Amino acid sequence: EAGVAQSPRYKIIEKRQSVAFWCNPISGHATLYWYQQILGQGPKLLIQFQNNGVVDDSQLPKDRFSAERLKGVDSTLKIQPAKLEDSAVYLCASSRIAGGPANEQFFGPGTRLTVL
Amino acid sequence: QQQVKQSPQSLIVQKGGISIINCAYENTAFDYFPWYQQFPGKGPALLIAIRPDVSEKKEGRFTISFNKSAKQFSLHIMDSQPGDSATYFCAATMEDNTDKLIFGTGTRLQVFP
Repeated sequence: EAGVAQSPRYKIIEKRQSVAFWCNPISGHATLYWYQQILGQGPKLLIQFQNNGVVDDSQLPKDRFSAERLKGVDSTLKIQPAKLEDSAVYLCASSRIAGGPANEQFFGPGTRLTVL
Repeated sequence: QQQVKQSPQSLIVQKGGISIINCAYENTAFDYFPWYQQFPGKGPALLIAIRPDVSEKKEGRFTISFNKSAKQFSLHIMDSQPGDSATYFCAATMEDNTDKLIFGTGTRLQVFP
């Protein structure tokens, strides 16, 4: 079974520019998550989708971050405009269902964003 | 109260030694404690997990010890190998909704031959 795919793997932009990340979850996984992992910290959930609906976006900085999951499969995360503190690895994860006991999340390799 | 504190930040162990990583939590509603292993350039992968109804869980060379009264849990890697070199994250969540993972800050483990 193919894992979670993400692109690009690396991105360098200047502050105030825009950037978009793409994620393709494991086939058949209904739930998709975007995490932000700042250097030296654990992943922090930004947004969770169940199919193409948002379940939780309470930690998404909505003034600059947006995400969508069209047709309940692929997802894109956008930052506009980027700030220096957005430098981080952006991880996408998917799981078969939402919630429930021991619902394992499978993570992609991440996109490393550097904002100069 | 949502934090999970993890230590040490980094750990160097000789091949064959025991690696020990500790985590502490405050939210008593947490009842599911997974550990993740992350290799450079890869996303975290679930390694082993424990529920608070047991004090220990072992899978191969990896053991989680859980102390409910102290609200602490730890990962022990026996007979550590160079291939175990990675960053390890503890996490905590509620078993009926494991979407809400609260991660520790991570421990970078290096195992030298």
